Amino acid sequence: GIQVEQSPPDLILQEGANSTLRCNFSDSVNNLQWFHQNPWGQLINLFYIPSGTKQNGRLSATTVATERYSLLYISSSQTTDSGVYFCAVELSGDDKIIFGKGTRLHILP
Amino acid sequence: SQTIHQWPATLVQPVGSPLSLECTVEGTSNPNLYWYRQAAGRGLQLLFYSVGIGQISSEVPQNLSASRPQDRQFILSSKKLLLSDSGFYLCAWTNARTGATYEQYFGPGTRLTVT
Repeated sequence: GIQVEQSPPDLILQEGANSTLRCNFSDSVNNLQWFHQNPWGQLINLFYIPSGTKQNGRLSATTVATERYSLLYISSSQTTDSGVYFCAVELSGDDKIIFGKGTRLHILP
Repeated sequence: SQTIHQWPATLVQPVGSPLSLECTVEGTSNPNLYWYRQAAGRGLQLLFYSVGIGQISSEVPQNLSASRPQDRQFILSSKKLLLSDSGFYLCAWTNARTGATYEQYFGPGTRLTVT
């Protein structure tokens, strides 16, 4: 089946730093999403981004579908950015949505 | 607007007892529905998904089952819980494959502890 790999698995940064999270996938996909899981477990939609680039405040994402990867950029990190970031892909010709194992981000004050 | 509900929020059950977790979606019709499980500190594992009433696809062979008795209702069940069934269970929905975007939305989850 499709492999969805996220890197790095863990990241510790000082408040104010910038970070780049990566998601690689092994097969063609219909769409890709980025989520943030907060400390209470709630999954918050960040980006729906099957291709191209989107920005929302301090966050932006880029997906290059032909090269099978997506990047999530976080600028000027804040402690509230801490948590786990997941990418999820929907396989082409299927209804399954598969998640990567996530990147755990810890922002130090 | 669409909302998704899950209950109960937390559950503590003994080994060997039955399980029933319910998920309902409001404000949409004919959604695709999904059950995921998240073990402590780990990623989301797809358990079941459904594209319509009575249509269930299973991803992982185990002692869990799912049913979709109504268009916007998805139920996760077990006849006899195992210790390994402990985890955080999340229900999610997307629009059906009709040319619309398929952004996935999650419910608040159920924390299950099997003792």
